[in-house]
Amino acid sequence: RKEVEQDPGPFNVPEGATVAFNCTYSNSASQSFFWYRQDCRKEPKLLMSVYSSGNEDGRFTAQLNRASQYISLLIRDSKLSDSATYLCVVGAGTYKYIFGTGTRLKVLA
Amino acid sequence: DTEVTQTPKHLVMGMTNKKSLKCEQHMGHRAMYWYKQKAKKPPELMFVYSYEKLSINESVPSRFSPECPNSSLLNLHLHALQPEDSALYLCASSQALGGTGQYFGPGTRLTVT
Repeated sequence: RKEVEQDPGPFNVPEGATVAFNCTYSNSASQSFFWYRQDCRKEPKLLMSVYSSGNEDGRFTAQLNRASQYISLLIRDSKLSDSATYLCVVGAGTYKYIFGTGTRLKVLA
Repeated sequence: DTEVTQTPKHLVMGMTNKKSLKCEQHMGHRAMYWYKQKAKKPPELMFVYSYEKLSINESVPSRFSPECPNSSLLNLHLHALQPEDSALYLCASSQALGGTGQYFGPGTRLTVT
């Protein structure tokens, strides 16, 4: 089993739709969780950290479910500019971060 | 300022060349990282420096040699690379204690001929 697993997609959704991605992790001792977005041929950009209580930033909501060992990202009112690959990242010790393979999102006009 | 800068943006080098990649951050982060990323794959960790000391080397071949001259700078020296080393090389930084996420530079796209 991979340490961090994501559905590679692509998720093709119309503008304005709500889309959700899940990411599962295998190490129950993991303490930090993040979502990054990566545009084609660009660097990953930190989208948000994921906290136990859940957190929201505008149209984006992240949730953590420790019992089932998954994190989720919900995007409301999708924009064309949201098209990107979304990487789930799990902290695995002080300096190690385990990346999922990413989920591709295409928002269609 | 959450910027990490990297130079050069692009690099083409022969298998006998020696070159260096440079990374700089001014966020006061005391952990700095080198990653390698191939197309359609996630970044792979290569090295981590914490407080200017090498903390993690992910069994990277010796043709890659990292250096951390000070808390803001990170270099990656390249020598006798192979064509399969062609990739995007990303530098990142984070607060030393982790748990806060990493900030990535724009990367150097390396082609080895």
